[in-house]
Amino acid sequence: DAGVTQSPTHLIKTRGQHVTLRCSPISGHKSVSWYQQVLGQGPQFIFQYYEKEERGRGNFPDRFSARQFPNYSSELNVNALLLGDSALYLCASSTLTGYGNTIYFGEGSWLTVV
Amino acid sequence: GESVGLHLPTLSVQEGDNSIINCAYSNSASDYFIWYKQESGKGPQFIIDIRSNMDKRQGQRVTVLLNKTVKHLSLQIAATQPGDSAVYFCAENMDSNYQLIWGAGTKLIIKP
Repeated sequence: DAGVTQSPTHLIKTRGQHVTLRCSPISGHKSVSWYQQVLGQGPQFIFQYYEKEERGRGNFPDRFSARQFPNYSSELNVNALLLGDSALYLCASSTLTGYGNTIYFGEGSWLTVV
Repeated sequence: GESVGLHLPTLSVQEGDNSIINCAYSNSASDYFIWYKQESGKGPQFIIDIRSNMDKRQGQRVTVLLNKTVKHLSLQIAATQPGDSAVYFCAENMDSNYQLIWGAGTKLIIKP
């Protein structure tokens, strides 16, 4: 079975531009979460979606938004990119939301803002 | 705020020896803990998890120990191999909480 798949794997954007990152969860998983990982640090929670509804939001500005589609895939959108948005963006999926459900990660999308 | 942290940023061990990676957590309400392995340029890979009603759990070559009294978590890797070289993160989760809270990571280096 395929794991969590993310696209694109690498991309370079200019300050002020917009970016859309995509994620397909493991088959049967209904929960998708997004994390931002800056080099040398642990991932920081951005959003969680379950059954197309936002269930959690981290401490990120409104420039960050996401949605989940009927097939449980998800998009993360970031507007008005800043240099500080350069990071690895990780998508994770699990069968349920919340406590105790094993969370599996994709390989991430490397975003460089110049 | 509440956080999960690691005692050592880098751990260097001889190939074949056992490795012990430590993690301290500060949120006493956390009741689910996970260890992830992250190789360079890749996403985190699930290793093992443990719930707060347990103090030990074993997997293949790995053991996680949880000491709730001192809020400490450890990952033991038996007979460390070159393929174990990576950054290891502990993460915590709470009932009704949707996010994982991560520590900064420990880099494990295997000496030949």
